Amino acid sequence: NAGVTQTPKFQVLKTGQSMTLQCAQDMNHEYMSWYRQDPGMGLRLIHYSVGAGITDQGEVPNGYNVSRSTTEDFPLRLLSAAPSQTSVYFCASSWGLEGEQFFGPGTRLTVL
Amino acid sequence: AQSVSQHNHHVILSEAASLELGCNYSYGGTVNLFWYVQYPGQHLQLLLKYFSGDPLVKGIKGFEAEFIKSKFSFNLRKPSVQWSDTAEYFCAVNPLGGYNKLIFGAGTRLAVHP
Repeated sequence: NAGVTQTPKFQVLKTGQSMTLQCAQDMNHEYMSWYRQDPGMGLRLIHYSVGAGITDQGEVPNGYNVSRSTTEDFPLRLLSAAPSQTSVYFCASSWGLEGEQFFGPGTRLTVL
Repeated sequence: AQSVSQHNHHVILSEAASLELGCNYSYGGTVNLFWYVQYPGQHLQLLLKYFSGDPLVKGIKGFEAEFIKSKFSFNLRKPSVQWSDTAEYFCAVNPLGGYNKLIFGAGTRLAVHP
């Protein structure tokens, strides 16, 4: 099992550009999430999904879109990148409502 | 609002010293508790977790944590640290009854000197 994979590992964008961060898991987990990690703030939940076709907002959803067309994939889209979105982004998945979350290796995004 | 506080932002220890990292949360209901570790350049890995039962839980690499419900605390301990324990440690809480949403503390950076 590859677990949770994320691409790209690094990305530099200019303000206003759009891009999609990819996340995939091969553990047949229903639940998937996106977090951003900023210094001194821990990880904060952006969006989450409880299954294919079902998504909802987390703590810091503004500026991001998600969709979940398959169980395996949960891409995160930045519609118009802003410097405030410079961060490290982690995707996670879990079995159920109460279980351990497994994290991907992260994407380090810089917006100039 | 639900929150998790980690009292120490930076900790510097010598090898063989004992470690205790504090974690307190603000939520009155039932929770699942976690400690994650992030080694330099790597992603988060689970150190240990508490769901129910014995409040003293043991994790990987000699770490343990104690859940004290009355204090809303879940402190991480290790009797003797090693240089390889240099990492950032995150306490996280999952308030039960809703989606599996982890609320993270700000993290504690641990540096262990040989």
